[in-house]
Amino acid sequence: DIQMTQSPSSLSASIGDRVTITCRASQSIGSYLNWYQQKPGKAPKILIFAAYSLQRGVPSRFSGSGSGTDFTLTISSLQPEDFATYYCQQSYTTLWTFGQGTKVEIK
Amino acid sequence: EVQLAESGGGLVQPGGSLRLSCAASGFTFSSHSMNWVRQAPGKGLEWLSHISGSGSTIYYAESVKGRFTISRDNAKNSLYLQINSLRDEDTAVYYCAITAESGVRNWFDPWGQGTLVTVSS
Repeated sequence: DIQMTQSPSSLSASIGDRVTITCRASQSIGSYLNWYQQKPGKAPKILIFAAYSLQRGVPSRFSGSGSGTDFTLTISSLQPEDFATYYCQQSYTTLWTFGQGTKVEIK
Repeated sequence: EVQLAESGGGLVQPGGSLRLSCAASGFTFSSHSMNWVRQAPGKGLEWLSHISGSGSTIYYAESVKGRFTISRDNAKNSLYLQINSLRDEDTAVYYCAITAESGVRNWFDPWGQGTLVTVSS
């Protein structure tokens, strides 16, 4: 299986901060990388698919980049509603795997 | 509006069995492949199984192969997950999710609200 490793596991940030979360795959996955946001008690929600494509309705402050093994999710200016846990997911194989998650907390 | 509603969770003793259901509405169910994903309390997401729209293609995570069985009834717009020989570590919220696609890219969207399975004696 392809292992996905996110860093950091958690971070504290203030409103308006630029936040960057990284995701590394154990082998090259091209651009087959998705990002999800999950709030407590809720189901995950897709933010970005295929490494950098913003899902319809997702604010433009979210962006994704990377290819191969290294990927980044960036929130350009953190808003109160962005405090959540973020997961990357590889869809390179039909044995989908997720990163362990990055919790974004209020500083 | 696309809706997915899981049911069938509850408290089960170790070694027991359970069948989870996911009722779909608002889209052509048979045209979309589906997935089950779980999340143990305070933990991350774990993909479990995938089934194609026709039901002819099925994949399982190694961790559940042999104990979990995915199926679907397109006439009833329903997805199922049969879980046998339940273990403490199967305690989790179980989500169903549609495989969204664009060309060769795919992702899970949307997800149901989840159903909680608790394995305990």
